[in-house]
Amino acid sequence: GAGVSQSPSNKVTEKGKDVELRCDPISGHTALYWYRQSLGQGLEFLIYFQGNSAPDKSGLPSDRFSAERTGGSVSTLTIQRTQQEDSAVYLCASSLVSQGRNTEAFFGQGTRLTVV
Amino acid sequence: QQQVKQSPQSLIVQKGGISIINCAYENTAFDYFPWYQQFPGKGPALLIAIRPDVSEKKEGRFTISFNKSAKQFSLHIMDSQPGDSATYFCAASKGTYKYIFGTGTRLKVLA
Repeated sequence: GAGVSQSPSNKVTEKGKDVELRCDPISGHTALYWYRQSLGQGLEFLIYFQGNSAPDKSGLPSDRFSAERTGGSVSTLTIQRTQQEDSAVYLCASSLVSQGRNTEAFFGQGTRLTVV
Repeated sequence: QQQVKQSPQSLIVQKGGISIINCAYENTAFDYFPWYQQFPGKGPALLIAIRPDVSEKKEGRFTISFNKSAKQFSLHIMDSQPGDSATYFCAASKGTYKYIFGTGTRLKVLA
């Protein structure tokens, strides 16, 4: 695809249920990021994958959150036992590494998660 | 030391005016400073970026000014238009380290 694709675009779930959010990065991009954005707020870093390195999970807010990236491409963010405060837009981004440095990060349109 | 501090939080400018958004950082190892623009309901998109070997970069009405000694960089939007109304995020990165984003500035340009 031409850009970063996220699915679903919208997800409504009941409190306590598990959800999976998917991100298809741009082909060849070795870096992949997940961010969370509450309404009208900034970008809250969640997790960062870079090539075959161990992911930087320092932004995950609790052990209910986890993410994996299979084959260096598609990534899935899983939220277990969802809570109302998890309601937000979850954004995925990917970027290329050039000459040992990150280049432009391309963002997807996000998944709007609503926990009722 | 990994923070990027952005100001102001919100900004209202008259059409045709200059919008200025500032960011400050601590880590002198940062080597890439992009600005992202986000419209409601959309993901952020790269607007303009600079590396620390230059002090200014201009693309159309958008200019980044970079002050390495002060560890500050700013976005200037000349002749601001209502279509520029959006949220703007500065960011910094070093090598293949993750991006560190500022907290965002909500710009409103009055017609």
